[in-house]
Amino acid sequence: SQQGEEDPQALSIQEGENATMNCSYKTSINNLQWYRQNSGRGLVHLILIRSNEREKHSGRLRVTLDTSKKSSSLLITASRAADTASYFCATVFGGATNKLIFGTGTLLAVQP
Amino acid sequence: NAGVTQTPKFQVLKTGQSMTLQCAQDMNHEYMSWYRQDPGMGLRLIHYSVGAGITDQGEVPNGYNVSRSTTEDFPLRLLSAAPSQTSVYFCASREDRVGGQPQHFGDGTRLSIL
Repeated sequence: SQQGEEDPQALSIQEGENATMNCSYKTSINNLQWYRQNSGRGLVHLILIRSNEREKHSGRLRVTLDTSKKSSSLLITASRAADTASYFCATVFGGATNKLIFGTGTLLAVQP
Repeated sequence: NAGVTQTPKFQVLKTGQSMTLQCAQDMNHEYMSWYRQDPGMGLRLIHYSVGAGITDQGEVPNGYNVSRSTTEDFPLRLLSAAPSQTSVYFCASREDRVGGQPQHFGDGTRLSIL
C-alpha cells in the first residue's frame, strides 16, 4: 500500500493545549494534504503543502513537511472542543498524480 | 452551490442484490472519485475519473463499476453485493486532473449488506 501512516492513532488533550499529529509516507510526493472528519460527516480539506514547501500556516494550523524523512506534522494550537474530530493526511504521488491516497487517521479528542 | 451530493444516505441490501450509489457535483470539476471507509483502514480509493468518458481503477476496484457520462455525475455500481462491501462510501471531486487542488467530499452513503 502507498498510504501514509498517522501517529498517534488517538490523542486526548485539554482545551487550550496544542495538538500535534504526524504522518509518514513511503515514496516521493507531489503534495501532501490534511483533512478533518467530524463524526458521521464527510472529509473537509484543511491545508495542502507542496513538495517544495517546508512549512505552511492557516489560522491555528501549522503544517511542516520534511521530504528527506518522508514525514509531515500537523499542529493545532490553542485547541477547542470543536476541534474534536479525526484527522487524515493524504498524498499525491509523483508517479500517479491522479490519485489521492489517505492514511488511517488520528482521532483527536479535546476535553472542555 | 450544493457541492458534492450523495444519495442515498443509508441503504441495507441483501447479499447478491445490485444497486447504484449516486454522486453529483455542481462545481464543474473535472476529477471525481469514490472511496470506501472501514474502521481502522482509513479511506481507500475505489475508482476515479479525470473527465467525462474517462475512468480508472483505484486501490480496491473489485466488485464495483463506474461510468462518467457527464461532468456532473459519477455513479458507483455494486453488481452483486457481498457482506465485505459493508462500508461507508464517499464521493469526492476536485477542480484539476493532476492532484494539485484539494478534494471536496460528500457526506457519505452508509451501506450494510446482510
